[in-house]
Amino acid sequence: KQEVTQIPAALSVPEGENLVLNCSFTDSAIYNLQWFRQDPGKGLTSLLLIQSSQREQTSGRLNASLDKSSGRSTLYIAASQPGDSATYLCAVGAGSYQLTFGKGTKLSVIP
Amino acid sequence: GAVVSQHPSRVICKSGTSVKIECRSLDFQATTMFWYRQFPKQSLMLMATSNEGSKATYEQGVEKDKFLINHASLTLSTLTVTSAHPEDSSFYICSANGRGQLNQPQHFGDGTRLSIL
Repeated sequence: KQEVTQIPAALSVPEGENLVLNCSFTDSAIYNLQWFRQDPGKGLTSLLLIQSSQREQTSGRLNASLDKSSGRSTLYIAASQPGDSATYLCAVGAGSYQLTFGKGTKLSVIP
Repeated sequence: GAVVSQHPSRVICKSGTSVKIECRSLDFQATTMFWYRQFPKQSLMLMATSNEGSKATYEQGVEKDKFLINHASLTLSTLTVTSAHPEDSSFYICSANGRGQLNQPQHFGDGTRLSIL
């Protein structure tokens, strides 16, 4: 059974800092890995999708990497802003296209 | 872009009530829809997968008679929590994929906060 772990559970940084969120998964037989953002009481916004054959994806200030063999992914956020404050979820897509989620990292960017 | 609409956003009702939650794809045909449940400070847990026109596939531990899922059209799936009890209080979120898009980002609704008194 796939298990997804996100470290740290919470992170607080001053505005402008670069930061890295970590995600690990136990079964490397994946189709893809997604990073989502969830604001309090809201649904999910897809940030980046990395296919299993890819090593990284970039969108604006966000960069996600994938090392399938070691079961790890990182989400790098450059020049953090208060508007980046949210919970970031990592999810692994498997053969049935269902997603297995981590518990998330709650990010607070302090002005 | 693709949008998934989920309704209602919040429900507060008495124990024993049945509650229906709707998930609609607004600009694409959702051949597959997923229903998740999220408890406070926990990850999203997949409850069931529904394909248009067929019975839903439930995850282990999810009671199919309690959580009724109907995916009768390519734009609508419903989740009915029958005879809801306080332990069913949670955040329910649906997501959808279109035909030929199963390896693309899933589109999520905004979720439904269910509170059973």
